[in-house]
Amino acid sequence: EVQLVESGGGLVQPGGSLRLSCAAFGFTFRSYWMTWVRQAPGKGLEWVASINQDGSRIYYVDSVKGRFTISRDNAETSLYLQMNSLRADDTALYYCARELGAHSGYGQPFDYWGQGTLVTVSS
Amino acid sequence: DIQMTQSPSTLSASVGDRVTITCRASESISSWLAWYQQKPGKAPKLLIYRASNLESGVPSRFSGSGSGTEFTLTISSLQPDDFAAYYCQQYSSPYTFGQGTKLEIK
Repeated sequence: EVQLVESGGGLVQPGGSLRLSCAAFGFTFRSYWMTWVRQAPGKGLEWVASINQDGSRIYYVDSVKGRFTISRDNAETSLYLQMNSLRADDTALYYCARELGAHSGYGQPFDYWGQGTLVTVSS
Repeated sequence: DIQMTQSPSTLSASVGDRVTITCRASESISSWLAWYQQKPGKAPKLLIYRASNLESGVPSRFSGSGSGTEFTLTISSLQPDDFAAYYCQQYSSPYTFGQGTKLEIK
């Protein structure tokens, strides 16, 4: 059974940093693009960042470029999101998601999602 | 960036109704469109990809259509489990979601 389990969220002050982790189970992690999606309280979904199978291709939404870094460890079957210079508008539930199709190219929908980890940026 | 606009934002309907949600793209995305269902406190669930392909395990009362800039999600006969929020997503370049449609009980 495919499972994605996020951790690392919490309360952080503006300007602070946080590292999110996503542990993957039940599938060949190294074969899939992986993604972070966030959802501010009571709001819609926003794609944040994606990384390809070997970490050589990475894409970010403009609002996080230069502040967030997505990475992965295929040996540990884990996905990460390093978040620096956090702002109040980064407050959201952060989901880890798998892109549809093993060995696929960039640009696929997301077929499995974790339950999310909440990041709150506030003084 | 490609903008996605869903309508309506809220839809009130009854069990057994046929409902349609529309999603418009600001430029052509061919058929690179997905639909998700999200229930309160839960992660989104993929329903349809490539505009009209039903994800495995999704009931056949859900269907999708469209190409280019205009797309629809149709639920042929609403069931109690279907009252939720629905989002479209383009995955042409790079990824954008619509603002969502809340489907509520009339």
